[in-house]
Amino acid sequence: DVKVTQSSRYLVKRTGEKVFLECVQDMDHENMFWYRQDPGLGLRLIYFSYDVKMKEKGDIPEGYSVSREKKERFSLILESASTNQTSMYLCASSPRIDSPLHFGNGTRLTVT
Amino acid sequence: QKEVEQDPGPLSVPEGAIVSLNCTYSNSAFQYFMWYRQYSRKGPELLMYTYSSGNKEDGRFTAQVDKSSKYISLFIRDSQPSDSATYLCAMSTNTNAGKSTFGDGTTLTVKP
Repeated sequence: DVKVTQSSRYLVKRTGEKVFLECVQDMDHENMFWYRQDPGLGLRLIYFSYDVKMKEKGDIPEGYSVSREKKERFSLILESASTNQTSMYLCASSPRIDSPLHFGNGTRLTVT
Repeated sequence: QKEVEQDPGPLSVPEGAIVSLNCTYSNSAFQYFMWYRQYSRKGPELLMYTYSSGNKEDGRFTAQVDKSSKYISLFIRDSQPSDSATYLCAMSTNTNAGKSTFGDGTTLTVKP
């Protein structure tokens, strides 16, 4: 069974801090994604990656960056955290470009 | 206006009831249609994945797609308390199902 592991379930950070959210998948999937989930706004795509060292912007990339140095690991970086980045962050992976997603259990980030 | 509109709920039904969850969409280019189930404090998990118009059945779950009306539904027969969760519809325009557009979700409670 596919496992997508997000390193933290809950995080509390201060405004202006640099924040790293880590995600690891164990099924050798090519594609990895970062979404955020907010009430009334659903899931919105932040960044995705089809291959190592490759990244593409999603719908709401502002204020975020990503890193994919190894196939199994995809990191989301908040360069300078702001209160409007308080959210649930979901990492996902898929084996092929037309496959649906396997999600992790999310990281609930609070920025104060 | 959002590309994908999902019946907001919440929905509360007695055990054994038939449940209908619905989404409408405006983008006629959507080709892939998915339903995810999300339990509290968990990530979404894929329930159903369809490509064409018509019905797809999996146990107690039936996914229905009507492209002419831009309408999709998920039916749950003989609903169980374990079906209590938030249900998310998702759809994509091309072969990348990972770049899906999600509905906001409908929260279902099945009472014993």
